Amino acid sequence: DTAVSQTPKYLVTQMGNDKSIKCEQNLGHDTMYWYKQDSKKFLKIMFSYNNKELIINETVPNRFSPKSPDKAHLNLHINSLELGDSAVYFCASSYGHSNTEAFFGQGTRLTVV
Amino acid sequence: GENVEQHPSTLSVQEGDSAVIKCTYSDSASNYFPWYKQELGKRPQLIIDIRSNVGEKKDQRIAVTLNKTAKHFSLHITETQPEDSAVYFCAAFKAAGNKLTFGGGTRVLVKP
Repeated sequence: DTAVSQTPKYLVTQMGNDKSIKCEQNLGHDTMYWYKQDSKKFLKIMFSYNNKELIINETVPNRFSPKSPDKAHLNLHINSLELGDSAVYFCASSYGHSNTEAFFGQGTRLTVV
Repeated sequence: GENVEQHPSTLSVQEGDSAVIKCTYSDSASNYFPWYKQELGKRPQLIIDIRSNVGEKKDQRIAVTLNKTAKHFSLHITETQPEDSAVYFCAAFKAAGNKLTFGGGTRVLVKP
């Protein structure tokens, strides 16, 4: 009964490939996020979705395309992977318009070789 | 947009001593300030939070203070223990835009 689950946990792939990371939450939250955590541990927001609608796109390259089929799912597809995309990607969810905790998934460590 | 600055980036303390981490934010519309702890290889998890209508909140050995006028907030950990060693993140949330912005993190090491 994991609250926010991401798959896969580890992903190793070659430059130029296309890959997807899936995220699902069972908390009934209306807002989901994708964050990128680089080697220096900085947590940078990439996208925010509220009720399946894109709210925030933080100047992320258009090789990254989020998709939210319903408010419980937010998947991240990455085209033409580059070395600099190597990082840990965290999905999170919360109640968007109230001041409440955001819950994080366990993270996906993406390594591009 | 919101900018959250966090200091120090690393903090080494002796077990039993106190640790203080400070954050500033730029957007006065932010009204919710959570603190997350991230252990090595794990996900960030909430340890305490404070809302803009409150100046101070305490939960056992951890406390957070908020100064809305100066736009800064701080985390205080007393009687530190080795299991407090982790990376701590402050964050600021603004309901308009559904945006939770994190500070750069503080790596805390508690030496036994």
